[in-house]
Amino acid sequence: DADVTQTPRNRITKTGKRIMLECSQTKGHDRMYWYRQDPGLGLRLIYYSFDVKDINKGEISDGYSVSRQAQAKFSLSLESAIPNQTALYFCATSDFQGGHNIQYFGAGTRLSVL
Amino acid sequence: GENVEQHPSTLSVQEGDSAVIKCTYSDSASNYFPWYKQELGKRPQLIIDIRSNVGEKKDQRIAVTLNKTAKHFSLHITETQPEDSAVYFCAASQGAAGNKLTFGGGTRVLVKP
Repeated sequence: DADVTQTPRNRITKTGKRIMLECSQTKGHDRMYWYRQDPGLGLRLIYYSFDVKDINKGEISDGYSVSRQAQAKFSLSLESAIPNQTALYFCATSDFQGGHNIQYFGAGTRLSVL
Repeated sequence: GENVEQHPSTLSVQEGDSAVIKCTYSDSASNYFPWYKQELGKRPQLIIDIRSNVGEKKDQRIAVTLNKTAKHFSLHITETQPEDSAVYFCAASQGAAGNKLTFGGGTRVLVKP
């Protein structure tokens, strides 16, 4: 779904480096999310934002920070990357209507921390 | 918080057979249960969802059932085809927290021709 765009698609970095993953959307949704995917662990929520002034921690926020620069932009930062942050990261948006929380995912960013 | 467990982690079926994936959840306040399909190298996409006021929902070859008393829900795929091969995730929304989803660990389904 080109409406949710993640950059970069792949990133290799070294331990201790600061990196930023970016997400932008053209769906007009207020709600945005960052997930991490590891084999066998499903999708785990890192941070979420229900509007520009709202930022909430998810289940695995330690070592990460986020910024909601605008309704359409939500970035994820790793202040000092460590090898166990190697994973596939997904940004998602949703528009909660009628009790259905349908999430639209970006294509993902594959991050390797050496 | 909510905890969602999903079984099995892998499932191999012969083309044309049925596949069943089961999930349990812990928060009795959860009221929304979607299923996402992730094909190899692709992003997860919603395939079906069910709300707690409904016991069963069907869409062509897929169906989802919900047992609120037992706090479990299942995905049923009938007449499986090779294109059904993917990873499937169940999820539950914490009712009190609005639309924050908790996902299960995923089931890798392989449909053998």
